[in-house]
Amino acid sequence: NAGVTQTPKFQVLKTGQSMTLQCAQDMNHEYMSWYRQDPGMGLRLIHYSVGAGITDQGEVPNGYNVSRSTTEDFPLRLLSAAPSQTSVYFCASSYTSRGNYEQYFGPGTRLTVT
Amino acid sequence: AQTVTQSQPEMSVQEAETVTLSCTYDTSESDYYLFWYKQPPSRQMILVIRQEAYKQQNATENRFSVNFQKAAKSFSLKISDSQLGDAAMYFCAFSDANRDDKIIFGKGTRLHILP
Repeated sequence: NAGVTQTPKFQVLKTGQSMTLQCAQDMNHEYMSWYRQDPGMGLRLIHYSVGAGITDQGEVPNGYNVSRSTTEDFPLRLLSAAPSQTSVYFCASSYTSRGNYEQYFGPGTRLTVT
Repeated sequence: AQTVTQSQPEMSVQEAETVTLSCTYDTSESDYYLFWYKQPPSRQMILVIRQEAYKQQNATENRFSVNFQKAAKSFSLKISDSQLGDAAMYFCAFSDANRDDKIIFGKGTRLHILP
């Protein structure tokens, strides 16, 4: 198993550009989620999905879109990048959000918006 | 809505000593699960320990144990015999047992180990 993979590892964008952060898991997990991590702010949930075709907003969804057309993939789209979106982004998955299941995290993407 | 609060942004402990990290949560549910995750400087998140709310016995994993107080909605992590490798961010997390809903994380506590 590759676990949870994220690409790219690093990215620099100019203000106004768009891009997609890729996340994939090969563990047949129902639950997937995206977090951003900023100094002093902990992990903030952006969007999550409890299964293919189902997504919902987290704590800080503005400026981001997601879709879940397959169980394996959960891409995060930045529509028009802003310097406030400079952060480290983590994708995570678990068998389900209900219960005693460990969340598996990807290695993270460091995004800088200039 | 459920919330998870970690009131200590940073803590320090001498190597070989014991330290306790605090976590409180708020929920109207009676059936849920609680977790502690560790994020070392490598940024990779690692599950440290988990607790089922219906179990009164506190979970233990080697040097890591929890003090779960359901009535007080408190879930603290105790690290015994602290080692340099325990230096990390620690996150408390909550999941509902019965509903497909988001998993909630606290803001984290950065733990420093003093040699």
